[in-house]
Amino acid sequence: QKEVEQNSGPLSVPEGAIASLNCTYSDRVSQSFFWYRQYSGKSPELIMSIYSNGDKEDGRFTAQLNKASQYVSLLIRDSQPSDSATYLCAVNRYTGTASKLTFGTGTRLQVTL
Amino acid sequence: DTGVSQDPRHKITKRGQNVTFRCDPISEHNRLYWYRQTLGQGPEFLTYFQNEAQLEKSRLLSDRFSAERPKGSFSTLEIQRTEQGDSAMYLCASSFWTGENTEAFFGQGTRLTVV
Repeated sequence: QKEVEQNSGPLSVPEGAIASLNCTYSDRVSQSFFWYRQYSGKSPELIMSIYSNGDKEDGRFTAQLNKASQYVSLLIRDSQPSDSATYLCAVNRYTGTASKLTFGTGTRLQVTL
Repeated sequence: DTGVSQDPRHKITKRGQNVTFRCDPISEHNRLYWYRQTLGQGPEFLTYFQNEAQLEKSRLLSDRFSAERPKGSFSTLEIQRTEQGDSAMYLCASSFWTGENTEAFFGQGTRLTVV
C-alpha cells in the first residue's frame, strides 16, 4: 500500500465548475497535510495546508481533512483554465525531530473551455 | 527574490561524471530538504537538514549521493559516477521549523540529464 494515494487522472472539468481532488494516506500518525500545484516542467507550489479535521478555505480553494478516514481533499471553485496542472497531496509526520513530506503521484487537472 | 534558489537550472552530463547542485534556502529557514522527481511521479524524499545537521537520509539513496550544509545556510548535493537512472528533476525545499506544523517551499529545481 502506498503511503499517499491519488488518482492520476486526468480529471477534466469545464470552466466555472468545481474540481474535487482526493487523497488518502496510510499512516494514521500523520499530522499535517498539504496541497501543491505543479505546472508542467515547473516545481511544486504550495497552495494549501491543513492540520485539523474539517474545512479550511482560502479564496477559491477549500481543503478538507478527515483523520478518522485518513482522507484529505481539495476543492477548487469556479475552475479556470489556469488551474490546469498536476495537484500533489503531501503528508507530514513528526517523530521527535524527524519530519519529512511524503508525496502522492499527483492528479492531473484539465479545465476545459 | 527571497525564495528558494537552485543552481544550475539544467545540467547535462555524461555517464560516469560527477555533478554538484547548489540550493540557497529562504534566509530565515532552518530546515532544508532535497527531493528527486521523475516524470509522472511525485517528489521522492532524499535527505534533509536542520541547520547544518543532516537528520535523515532515505534508505533508497545510493552511497553515490552525498549532501552537505556546512554552515547551516546553502546546501550542495553531489552525485558521483552518474548513471542514466539518475536523470530527474532535483528539488530543494526549505521551511522554518518550530516544532509544530510547518510549510515547505520549493525552489525551481535542477533538471539533470545523464547521457
